[in-house]
Amino acid sequence: DAGVTQSPTHLIKTRGQHVTLRCSPISGHKSVSWYQQVLGQGPQFIFQYYEKEERGRGNFPDRFSARQFPNYSSELNVNALLLGDSALYLCASSPNLMNTEAFFGQGTRLTVV
Amino acid sequence: GEDVEQSLFLSVREGDSSVINCTYTDSSSTYLYWYKQEPGAGLQLLTYIFSNMDMKQDQRLTVLLNKKDKHLSLRIADTQTGDSAIYFCAENAGNNRKLIWGLGTSLAVNP
Repeated sequence: DAGVTQSPTHLIKTRGQHVTLRCSPISGHKSVSWYQQVLGQGPQFIFQYYEKEERGRGNFPDRFSARQFPNYSSELNVNALLLGDSALYLCASSPNLMNTEAFFGQGTRLTVV
Repeated sequence: GEDVEQSLFLSVREGDSSVINCTYTDSSSTYLYWYKQEPGAGLQLLTYIFSNMDMKQDQRLTVLLNKKDKHLSLRIADTQTGDSAIYFCAENAGNNRKLIWGLGTSLAVNP
């Protein structure tokens, strides 16, 4: 059974560009959460989606948006990229809204130059 | 407020036990987690404990929870070089049950 898959694994963008990151949760999991992990820090919560609805939002600017599709996969979009957006973006899959077991993908390493 | 604190570094000899400590602030947290992250990799869920439990054991891993002091620890028995990684403590907090993370403890296992 496949785990959480994220694509792409690595990405280089220039300032001002837009990026879309993708996540497929574990089969049967309806909750997808997005986290940003800057080097040397713990992950910071960005969004949680459950049953295609946004259920939580962290302290990130409106340049960050996300959505969840009927098959529970999700996209994270970031507009007007800044150098400070360079980070590992992690997707977590959970069977329920409470995140009792949250499994992470390998992440997408985004570098903004 | 929501905050999770961990010591940043721990060095042990191969075969010894490792104990990684964590304190958290949100008394309403229902679950507390330990994740492992190897260089350049994602986060691997090692174990988690429900807040009404005191202890959980899973093979070489033992989690102890002191809810009164909001203190969580992870003990790794017979530590191996493959256990070298960063270990994150996280709590499941807030109305939306987002995970709040510590900065991670870097475990170095010396042969």
